[in-house]
Amino acid sequence: GESVGLHLPTLSVQEGDNSIINCAYSNSASDYFIWYKQESGKGPQFIIDIRSNMDKRQGQRVTVLLNKTVKHLSLQIAATQPGDSAVYFCAETYNQGGKLIFGQGTELSVKP
Amino acid sequence: KAGVTQTPRYLIKTRGQQVTLSCSPISGHRSVSWYQQTPGQGLQFLFEYFSETQRNKGNFPGRFSGRQFSNSRSEMNVSTLELGDSALYLCASSLARTNTEAFFGQGTRLTVV
Repeated sequence: GESVGLHLPTLSVQEGDNSIINCAYSNSASDYFIWYKQESGKGPQFIIDIRSNMDKRQGQRVTVLLNKTVKHLSLQIAATQPGDSAVYFCAETYNQGGKLIFGQGTELSVKP
Repeated sequence: KAGVTQTPRYLIKTRGQQVTLSCSPISGHRSVSWYQQTPGQGLQFLFEYFSETQRNKGNFPGRFSGRQFSNSRSEMNVSTLELGDSALYLCASSLARTNTEAFFGQGTRLTVV
């Protein structure tokens, strides 16, 4: 398949610290990217998106950075809280109408 | 506004049986996509429907099929179930086909025994 998810990378941070989750995407033609958060037993929850004509986009406590040169996406979470503990996925699409290609995911663990 | 609703939440089926899963998108959303999530393969695209037509299909065997109704509700069907079909099946809806937020339901957990 186009998504590989074997052993999830894990990021462990202290409550209140900033978190940075990285993602390498696969297709240089991708033009729209989304970050999702998935908690245990739930479906992925939309966090923030960015289009390929942008380098940075900010939301509430979250920032997404896009580096098209190296096909890299990152999600920064400010003042990480225990409720942020979840698996985070990046997803890309390249004008294929609704088909999202997901990264493998990163498990974020926030220690109180 | 109600979110994406998937039914049932949990299913247990026997090998060789078939199963139908249902997805009701967010009101006004016309694009519905389906994904399979497993620990080994992560999230993989199954297919996408827009205006009752399948617009895109992933790399899954023909046992996996779907449809969309005029009210945008969608169903997916898996025939001749195999153990490897055990997974969380997720439905996502969006307003348009490209470059718009896709919202996911909670999924249907299918276990094949």
